[in-house]
Amino acid sequence: GAGVSQSPSNKVTEKGKDVELRCDPISGHTALYWYRQSLGQGLEFLIYFQGNSAPDKSGLPSDRFSAERTGGSVSTLTIQRTQQEDSAVYLCASSSPRGSLINSPLHFGNGTRLTVT
Amino acid sequence: AQSVTQLDSQVPVFEEAPVELRCNYSSSVSVYLFWYVQYPNQGLQLLLKYLSGSTLVESINGFEAEFNKSQTSFHLRKPSVHISDTAEYFCAVRGMGGSQGNLIFGKGTKLSVKP
Repeated sequence: GAGVSQSPSNKVTEKGKDVELRCDPISGHTALYWYRQSLGQGLEFLIYFQGNSAPDKSGLPSDRFSAERTGGSVSTLTIQRTQQEDSAVYLCASSSPRGSLINSPLHFGNGTRLTVT
Repeated sequence: AQSVTQLDSQVPVFEEAPVELRCNYSSSVSVYLFWYVQYPNQGLQLLLKYLSGSTLVESINGFEAEFNKSQTSFHLRKPSVHISDTAEYFCAVRGMGGSQGNLIFGKGTKLSVKP
């Protein structure tokens, strides 16, 4: 597709269950980012991939959160033993390798809305 | 480390009025600055950016932002807003020389333009 695709668009899960959120970046984009958007909290950085490696995972809030990227493309964010405070919109973004990585704009997906009941 | 403060969570204005959305940042190193916009039911997209050179940067839809190093600000302005400008606006900062992946966002300002 032309843009960043995230699935599912909505996910309702029970407290304690594990969830997997998927991100398909724009073809050819080597950098991939995960952010979390909570009501009134803005965008919270979670993790950044360059290719399949994660140079910066400083934003992952706990060891219940993990992410991987395979083939330099699709990424999966996994939340184990979900808690109610995990409820948020999880956003994925990718950026082009052209030019400097510093100033390449991020292209965002529409997000996955996670609700933990 | 960097941080971004957007003091106004909501800004209601009437159509054709001027608007300023405030953004202040904190950083121990030089920074790149960005404004992203999220229209209703759409993903975030880049509105404009300051990397170097002229401190006044403009977008294609009439917004402008001015980098003020002494005041550590990057306020977004438009002299006359339209209904279609209704959206949430996020200021973001990335430090030079730090982690290239970490683009830090503010909490956002919801601009509501009324007829």
